[in-house]
Amino acid sequence: NAGVTQTPKFRVLKTGQSMTLLCAQDMNHEYMYWYRQDPGMGLRLIHYSVGEGTTAKGEVPDGYNVSRLKKQNFLLGLESAAPSQTSVYFCASSPDRVQETQYFGPGTRLLVL
Amino acid sequence: GDSVTQMEGPVTLSEEAFLTINCTYTATGYPSLFWYVQYPGEGLQLLLKATKADDKGSNKGFEATYRKETTSFHLEKGSVQVSDSAVYFCALRPSGTYKYIFGTGTRLKVLA
Repeated sequence: NAGVTQTPKFRVLKTGQSMTLLCAQDMNHEYMYWYRQDPGMGLRLIHYSVGEGTTAKGEVPDGYNVSRLKKQNFLLGLESAAPSQTSVYFCASSPDRVQETQYFGPGTRLLVL
Repeated sequence: GDSVTQMEGPVTLSEEAFLTINCTYTATGYPSLFWYVQYPGEGLQLLLKATKADDKGSNKGFEATYRKETTSFHLEKGSVQVSDSAVYFCALRPSGTYKYIFGTGTRLKVLA
């Protein structure tokens, strides 16, 4: 049982390049989330999904797209990276039961030059 | 809207000192409340939670009580260790929603 895994762990991009971050969970959770963590800002929700084939915008969705084609995977895409997207990205999942916690992946550190 | 406010850090303590990290929240209804811990280079891990008023969450010597009247969920530990050095996040999940709202985090450094 690996929990929540994220790929890659670290990436350097040039402005304008694109990339996809992959999140996978093996706990059969319905809900999945993408956050970014910046110094002094805590965690901010980018997008989330309440089930396979569904996605919704969070607090800071601009510049990102997501897809949830399979229940266990949640992909975060950057179509044209900008330096402001330099951050640590965390994926999380949770079951669809009230009062349940989230389970986090180890994070992806992204540097956009 | 719903929000979480926690004390700014960093907090620096000597080993075996008493720890309090304040957390207050704004939310309608009866949210679930959480404390997460993040060790260097890792993701967040659940430390403890409370799901209704007057509940006390506890784990690894840490405790927090859900106080509806003061809208608070302060984290306490009677005797901290060097291994407790980490960043601590207070969070809430509003009732009836899928989202979690996090505070900005408090960095704790414990000196031997």
